[in-house]
Amino acid sequence: KAGVTQTPRYLIKTRGQQVTLSCSPISGHRSVSWYQQTPGQGLQFLFEYFSETQRNKGNFPGRFSGRQFSNSRSEMNVSTLELGDSALYLCASSPPASGRLSRTDTQYFGPGTRLTVL
Amino acid sequence: AQKVTQAQTEISVVEKEDVTLDCVYETRDTTYYLFWYKQPPSGELVFLIRRNSFDEQNEISGRYSWNFQKSTSSFNFTITASQVVDSAVYFCALSEAYGGSSYKLIFGSGTRLLVRP
Repeated sequence: KAGVTQTPRYLIKTRGQQVTLSCSPISGHRSVSWYQQTPGQGLQFLFEYFSETQRNKGNFPGRFSGRQFSNSRSEMNVSTLELGDSALYLCASSPPASGRLSRTDTQYFGPGTRLTVL
Repeated sequence: AQKVTQAQTEISVVEKEDVTLDCVYETRDTTYYLFWYKQPPSGELVFLIRRNSFDEQNEISGRYSWNFQKSTSSFNFTITASQVVDSAVYFCALSEAYGGSSYKLIFGSGTRLLVRP
C-alpha cells in the first residue's frame, strides 16, 4: 500500500507570497492532520480534516488555512509568507474507514514539504 | 496541559552498544496514548510503536524494547546492539484529545541519536 505523499518536496518563496502544499493520504484513510516542524518550536499541530471538515486547529494565525477534498486529499495554504514560516510541513493520515478518528488510530506521516522563505 | 519531555538532546554511541532514550510525560487524561516516531535525515516521521495508558506491559520488537511506567509517567525506548542505520532523531509523542474521540499529537523535542561505526 502506498504511503502518504506530499508535493512538492521543496519550495523556495519570498516574503509576502503565498504557497499551497498538497497531501495525499494512504488509501482508505479519511483523516488528514498537518504539523509544522521548526528548529525553535519543534513539531506543532496545525489542523486536522475529516470528511472535508476542519475538526480542530492549532495555535496558528489565520494566514494558515487548509481544506480537504472528497477523495480525502488535503491542501494547506499559507498567505503573506513571513521568514518565520520557513519549516518542514508534515502531513499525516489516519485510519479507519469508519466515521470517527479514535484514540487508537495511529497517524502515519508523509516525507514533508520543506518550505524556505527568503 | 499535556507535555512531553525528552531531556536528552543528543546521544552518541559506538555501534553494538545498547542505548536508552528517555521520555517523561504530563497529562490530565485518564486514557491516553503514547507513541515513538523515528525521523531519519530524509525527514519523514516513521511510526515505531503505540502504547495505551491501561496497558503497562513492556514490549519488545527485535532490537527495540519499550518500558512504560505509569507511576513515573515515563515511556522509555531501548535499542539493543545499536547499528549505524539507527542514527536518527527519535520523538516521543502523547495524544491530546479534542472533540470527542479525536486527538492531536503532542511531541517532545526529540533526541538525536548518532551511532558511530
